[in-house]
Amino acid sequence: DGGITQSPKYLFRKEGQNVTLSCEQNLNHDAMYWYRQDPGQGLRLIYYSQIVNDFQKGDIAEGYSVSREKKESFPLTVTSAQKNPTAFYLCASSLSPRGPAGLFFGEGSRLTVL
Amino acid sequence: AQSVTQLDSHVSVSEGTPVLLRCNYSSSYSPSLFWYVQHPNKGLQLLLKYTSAATLVKGINGFEAEFKKSETSFHLTKPSAHMSDAAEYFCVVTNAGGTSYGKLTFGQGTILTVHP
Repeated sequence: DGGITQSPKYLFRKEGQNVTLSCEQNLNHDAMYWYRQDPGQGLRLIYYSQIVNDFQKGDIAEGYSVSREKKESFPLTVTSAQKNPTAFYLCASSLSPRGPAGLFFGEGSRLTVL
Repeated sequence: AQSVTQLDSHVSVSEGTPVLLRCNYSSSYSPSLFWYVQHPNKGLQLLLKYTSAATLVKGINGFEAEFKKSETSFHLTKPSAHMSDAAEYFCVVTNAGGTSYGKLTFGQGTILTVHP
């Protein structure tokens, strides 16, 4: 079955450590996205990528980095510069970044900083 | 510019009664609108979408929504709530007429509680 796989589902990190969240899709979608979700704040866009080897900052990119070396993969690194990294992170993809087809979401990764 | 406002942060209904989740939007272009559902600690699932075709949109699990341009609203309804409908619901707008990336703007979410 096609879909989006995020790993790990739960992750604990000490302050000052970088951590990388994995996102893989086998939907052959061009566009991929990372969102952060905090209670009562909806979803906020961190980074997005419309095509391989290209990505753009979203609304809250500070303290995060991404890469898009393969069409199916879009890992997110939460760096030590992110001041409040504890959150639920959602990866998504869409067939086209411009078309109104909607997003397919992964199951999410919950990061807790100790 | 675009924005979306979900008018209720929490809605509580009894099983078998109607559900109404309210969403108002603003958009500089002809919008596309979506409703997503999220169960606890899960990703979001698309319920339905409006993309300038029929104004009454039917989705999965018996949900539907009506696009009303004059009221800038896209309310989500269901005739009879089921216990499995208990979840958080997000209204989303995107500017389909934009020149580049169709940025999605999410509402704050409405938590639906269904009582037996």
